[in-house]
Amino acid sequence: GDSVTQMEGPVTLSEEAFLTINCTYTATGYPSLFWYVQYPGEGLQLLLKATKADDKGSNKGFEATYRKETTSFHLEKGSVQVSDSAVYFCALNTDKLIFGTGTRLQVFP
Amino acid sequence: DAEITQSPRHKITETGRQVTLACHQTWNHNNMFWYRQDLGHGLRLIHYSYGVQDTNKGEVSDGYSVSRSNTEDLPLTLESAASSQTSVYFCASSDLAGEGTDTQYFGPGTRLTVL
Repeated sequence: GDSVTQMEGPVTLSEEAFLTINCTYTATGYPSLFWYVQYPGEGLQLLLKATKADDKGSNKGFEATYRKETTSFHLEKGSVQVSDSAVYFCALNTDKLIFGTGTRLQVFP
Repeated sequence: DAEITQSPRHKITETGRQVTLACHQTWNHNNMFWYRQDLGHGLRLIHYSYGVQDTNKGEVSDGYSVSRSNTEDLPLTLESAASSQTSVYFCASSDLAGEGTDTQYFGPGTRLTVL
C-alpha cells in the first residue's frame, strides 16, 4: 500500500543553519505531496504542498520539490529560526492523507 | 474566521466507559476526519465522512464509531474505552471529496487518557 518514510529525529540545529528533512514515498498512483507542521500544543497546519511531478511548494522560507524519479519530497530551509522548532510531517494524498511518523526539529539560539 | 474546534481538550476516563469526543467546524466543509497520533506512528485515520449521513472506516477503526447528522459536527465515540486508546485525537476537515490536492484543516486535538 501507499506509505511515507521520513527521517527520524530529533534534528538539532543552531539558528541560521541549513535544514533538510528527508521524505520518500511509495504510491501506486500519482499522489499530491504535503508538508504539515505541528507547533507545541497545537494541531497540524499545512506548510506547503505540490500536486504533480517537478512542482515546488514553498512557504515561510521552506521549500520542497516533488521528485517523481526518486519518489522524494525533501523539506529544506536555508536559515532556520528558533521559532521553526516544531514537528514536521510529510504526507501523501491519493484519496486519503497518509502521514509519515514526523520529525522533531529543535533550533537553538 | 472559520475554525475547527475540539472538546474536551483533555479527558481522563476509566477502562470500559463510553467516551465521546466532539468536533465542530465552521468552514462548511463536506469532509471530516478523525485521526489518532501516537509516538512512532504519526497520524492514523480512524473514521471519515464525505457528507451528512456518510461515514467510512479508516485504518484503525476498531473500537470507535462516528455519526454525521449535520455538516458541522462529527463526534467520535469510544464504545468501551481501553488503555490502548490512550492517545491524542485530531479532527480535520476539507472541502473536496476524494481530491488528492485538497488541504485538510486540523483542530487543536484532544488528549485522552484511559486508566
